[in-house]
Amino acid sequence: EPEVTQTPSHQVTQMGQEVILRCVPISNHLYFYWYRQILGQKVEFLVSFYNNEISEKSEIFDDQFSVERPDGSNFTLKIRSTKLEDSAMYFCASSDTGTGGTPQHFGDGTRLSIL
Amino acid sequence: AQSVTQLDSHVSVSEGTPVLLRCNYSSSYSPSLFWYVQHPNKGLQLLLKYTSAATLVKGINGFEAEFKKSETSFHLTKPSAHMSDAAEYFCVVSDRGSQGNLIFGKGTKLSVKP
Repeated sequence: EPEVTQTPSHQVTQMGQEVILRCVPISNHLYFYWYRQILGQKVEFLVSFYNNEISEKSEIFDDQFSVERPDGSNFTLKIRSTKLEDSAMYFCASSDTGTGGTPQHFGDGTRLSIL
Repeated sequence: AQSVTQLDSHVSVSEGTPVLLRCNYSSSYSPSLFWYVQHPNKGLQLLLKYTSAATLVKGINGFEAEFKKSETSFHLTKPSAHMSDAAEYFCVVSDRGSQGNLIFGKGTKLSVKP
């Protein structure tokens, strides 16, 4: 079964540094998402992406965050200047349609630790 | 606005006994509802989904859930727990009018005792 893959599985970064989290969505999917889960809290929506542009973003997704699809397979999340509160598990997801009833397929996540 | 409430943060059952994980939702539109499971150090795996067809939905690994509009509930059940079912379970709602972003409950950790 096709999978969403995320790299790295664990990223440790100094506060104030830039970090890029990488995702390879399922190949025939067109809609891409990032979510995060701070330890002990809910999984929260960050951003959705379709046709090379952001479809929707949450309040969390401020100017420090950006997403990109640099080529035909990768989907990245960049945090420009990391803060301690960015420490979380970040999940990438993809789906073949963008309608609300379509399940999203998730990767195993990247655990981001900010020191 | 859509929201999901998982009524139990932790449920413990013995192997071979039934599992009940409770979920209530709030949605201003006709909701799509999902249950996802997360095993330790793994991603989120879809167990089942409800999208306005049959109200009793069957999923993988023997799980099923029943959509009850009058009670705004979508509880997850399994007749007989297995040790491998120990994991965290998330009830999720998606507003069909949205771009598809998901709203998660806080999760219920299921422990299975031998």
